[in-house]
Amino acid sequence: EIVLTQSPATLSLSPGERATLSCRASQSVSSYLAWYQQKPGQAPRLLIYDASNRATGIPARFSGSGSGTDFTLTISSLEPEDFAVYYCQQRSNGGTFGQGTKLEIK
Amino acid sequence: QVQLVQSGAEVKKPGASVKVSCKASGYTFTSYAMHWVRQAPGQRLEWMGWINSGDGSTKYSQKFQGRVIITRDTSANTAYMELSSLTSEDTAVYYCATGSGRSCAYWGQGTLVTVSS
Repeated sequence: EIVLTQSPATLSLSPGERATLSCRASQSVSSYLAWYQQKPGQAPRLLIYDASNRATGIPARFSGSGSGTDFTLTISSLEPEDFAVYYCQQRSNGGTFGQGTKLEIK
Repeated sequence: QVQLVQSGAEVKKPGASVKVSCKASGYTFTSYAMHWVRQAPGQRLEWMGWINSGDGSTKYSQKFQGRVIITRDTSANTAYMELSSLTSEDTAVYYCATGSGRSCAYWGQGTLVTVSS
């Protein structure tokens, strides 16, 4: 199965700062990569699909890039509500998730 | 609007099976695949498998192959996930999720399955 490795495991930043989260696949997943945000006690929320497309209702400060094996989620200027856990998921073969990046307030 | 409503919490003994349902509304059920994802307490999301709601074909994660069965009833707009030979490590929240293309824009509320003797 395809393994996704996210880095860093934890990212400590302040509101207004820029966040860059990484997701690396063990083999090419083309552009079939999605990003989700999850807050405690809630189901995940789709942010980005097909590597770079924002889902409906997602603010423009969220952007995704990459293809093949290396992907990035960028949050241009952090808002207080953005502090959460972020997961990448590949849908090239099956649907494995990365282990998550916790974005915490510094 | 798209809604996925899952069945209620379950408590099972080790070795038993559990079957979780997911009733869909707000879209044509057979148009989107249905995925099942679980999350153990404090752990990552774990993809279990999916079903093509149209033709009923399935694909399972290697980790759960042989222990999970995903089915659907198109007349009831409902998908099911059955997991057998439960152990304490199967204690988790189980989600169904769907959406167009290759991502899951819509999620159920989650079903807590607790395995305890």
